[in-house]
Amino acid sequence: NAGVMQNPRHLVRRRGQEARLRCSPMKGHSHVYWYRQLPEEGLKFMVYLQKENIIDESGMPKERFSAEFPKEGPSILRIQQVVRGDSAAYFCASSPVAGGRSDTQYFGPGTRLTVL
Amino acid sequence: AQSVSQHNHHVILSEAASLELGCNYSYGGTVNLFWYVQYPGQHLQLLLKYFSGDPLVKGIKGFEAEFIKSKFSFNLRKPSVQWSDTAEYFCAVSLTSGTYKYIFGTGTRLKVLA
Repeated sequence: NAGVMQNPRHLVRRRGQEARLRCSPMKGHSHVYWYRQLPEEGLKFMVYLQKENIIDESGMPKERFSAEFPKEGPSILRIQQVVRGDSAAYFCASSPVAGGRSDTQYFGPGTRLTVL
Repeated sequence: AQSVSQHNHHVILSEAASLELGCNYSYGGTVNLFWYVQYPGQHLQLLLKYFSGDPLVKGIKGFEAEFIKSKFSFNLRKPSVQWSDTAEYFCAVSLTSGTYKYIFGTGTRLKVLA
């Protein structure tokens, strides 16, 4: 059973460009979470999605950031008009259920975004 | 708002020393508790988790953690560390109702000297 896949692993963008990060959850997992890890900090929750639905986006910046998890294909985290402060590691996690005794999130390897 | 505190940001130990990393959370309701490890250049891996039952939880690689509800703590322990335990350790909490996001501590960087 393949783990959570993220691509690209490294992404370099210039200020003002768009960054598109992809996450394929583990097989059978329908819950996807995105987290951001800024340098020298822990992971901060951004958004929680189920297929075709955004359940909780309380951690997403109000502008330039969006996320989707379509019926087919990977989850996408999109950052428009990137700025240097967006440089971070972005981790995706998936779980088969949310909450309860089986609530365990499995993390992908992350995408390290560098904004020049 | 819920939060997780890891008091030790950097820890340096010699091989065979005992390890205890502190984790405290602030939330009055029922939570699930986790410790994850991030080895250099790798992604987060689950060390152990607590949902309910025996408050002493054993994980992989000889790690264990004890949930003390009265202290809102979930400290990680290992009796004898190895050089290969050099990594960053994250404590995380998830609520058992409402949104199920994880709230992470800021992490503890452990360096084990050979």
